Amino acid sequence: GAVVSQHPSWVICKSGTSVKIECRSLDFQATTMFWYRQFPKQSLMLMATSNEGSKATYEQGVEKDKFLINHASLTLSTLTVTSAHPEDSSFYICSAGGLAETPLWDTQYFGPGTRLTVL
Amino acid sequence: RKEVEQDPGPFNVPEGATVAFNCTYSNSASQSFFWYRQDCRKEPKLLMSVYSSGNEDGRFTAQLNRASQYISLLIRDSKLSDSATYLCVAGSGTYKYIFGTGTRLKVLA
Repeated sequence: GAVVSQHPSWVICKSGTSVKIECRSLDFQATTMFWYRQFPKQSLMLMATSNEGSKATYEQGVEKDKFLINHASLTLSTLTVTSAHPEDSSFYICSAGGLAETPLWDTQYFGPGTRLTVL
Repeated sequence: RKEVEQDPGPFNVPEGATVAFNCTYSNSASQSFFWYRQDCRKEPKLLMSVYSSGNEDGRFTAQLNRASQYISLLIRDSKLSDSATYLCVAGSGTYKYIFGTGTRLKVLA
């Protein structure tokens, strides 16, 4: 149980284009989803927290107009990187959580990540 | 100062060795603690939660010292397959996770 998928697993795009990444919880309903970014040899940095049906909460320094997050249902959240530039190239990972049931309580389950390369 | 600090390593140990990782966190309001394992170019996978009383799962033992704001992970009888980066996580309210930078472990044959 507690499987999270992400699509696509990798994407290469040209500078200036937009890229959408999907995150789905496959076998549970996630009231809260999180988006992280990880640069090589660095730790995961939380970008934003999204709750189903409401606006995402962005971490300091993350541009909400550049990284658009939509959490339209309890099983799907999307991250759109708008007008991507080479410095946006990174490993983007989503996670889902929010079920108040053991063993999922207070635990985040991670998707397999999306590797974005902007040329 | 980073909110969650770990020794980046790498720790190179022979098979069968016991290895310990330490982690400190600065936010005294942190309520939940975890160890995750991350393989190269993969997502983190939950290794174990860390409870105040300490907990064990097979060869892995986790300890929490709230007074010192310190978490540890002990791996006994290391296997080649334990080679990975181990991420310490402190969570505070509404599942907000702060990750450490990770400690790299390489178990040598």
